[in-house]
Amino acid sequence: NAGVTQTPKFQVLKTGQSMTLQCAQDMNHEYMSWYRQDPGMGLRLIHYSVGAGITDQGEVPNGYNVSRSTTEDFPLRLLSAAPSQTSVYFCASSYTGGGARGTQYFGPGTRLTVL
Amino acid sequence: KNEVEQSPQNLTAQEGEFITINCSYSVGISALHWLQQHPGGGIVSLFMLSSGKKKHGRLIATINIQEKHSSLHITASHPRDSAVYICAVVAGGGADGLTFGKGTHLIIQP
Repeated sequence: NAGVTQTPKFQVLKTGQSMTLQCAQDMNHEYMSWYRQDPGMGLRLIHYSVGAGITDQGEVPNGYNVSRSTTEDFPLRLLSAAPSQTSVYFCASSYTGGGARGTQYFGPGTRLTVL
Repeated sequence: KNEVEQSPQNLTAQEGEFITINCSYSVGISALHWLQQHPGGGIVSLFMLSSGKKKHGRLIATINIQEKHSSLHITASHPRDSAVYICAVVAGGGADGLTFGKGTHLIIQP
C-alpha cells in the first residue's frame, strides 16, 4: 500500500491564481481531513469528510473548497490564492468507523508559497 | 473551542534521560492523540487514548480524563527521539476533526 499520497510536494503561486492540492489513500478509509501548519500556530483543521459525498468545515475553511466523489480522493481547492495561504498542507485519513478517534495516517505534506 | 496547551514548548536533554511532555485541554474529549513530527516534516501517529495508559517500546502515554491532562513519557531517551511531539484532541463522537497543541520540540543530545 502507498498509504496517503499528496501532490505536489512544493508549489509557488501568484496571488489570485487557483490550484488544487491532491490527496489520495489506498487503505479504503472513510475519514479524510485537511490541515494547514503554520509556524507558531500548530496544525489547524481546514475541512474533513466522513465518507464519499459528505464534507464539513473545520476551524479555518475560508478560501478553500473540498469535494469527496470517491472514497480514495479528497482534493483541496484554492479558488483565489492569497499570501495568507502560504503554509504547509497535510492530508490525513483514518479507518472506517474510527473517524477522528481512529489512528491518523498523514500524507507527506505540500509546501505552498503564495507570492 | 477546545484549547490545547502543551508543555514544555522546547526541551533539550541528554541521552538516557527520562522525558515527560504534558498536554492539557479545556473541554471534555472523546479521545486524545499523540503524534510525532520528524525533522523532515513527516507526521506519524504514536498513540490514541480514551482512558488509562498505553505503552509501546520506550514510549508511555497516560491520560486523566477528570483532570483533562495527558502525559507522554520517553524512557532511556536516544538522539533518534529528537522530534516535535504533538498532542491532539477529539471532541464528541469522533465525527469532527482534531484540535492540536502547538507541539513540543525535543532534542536529545548524545
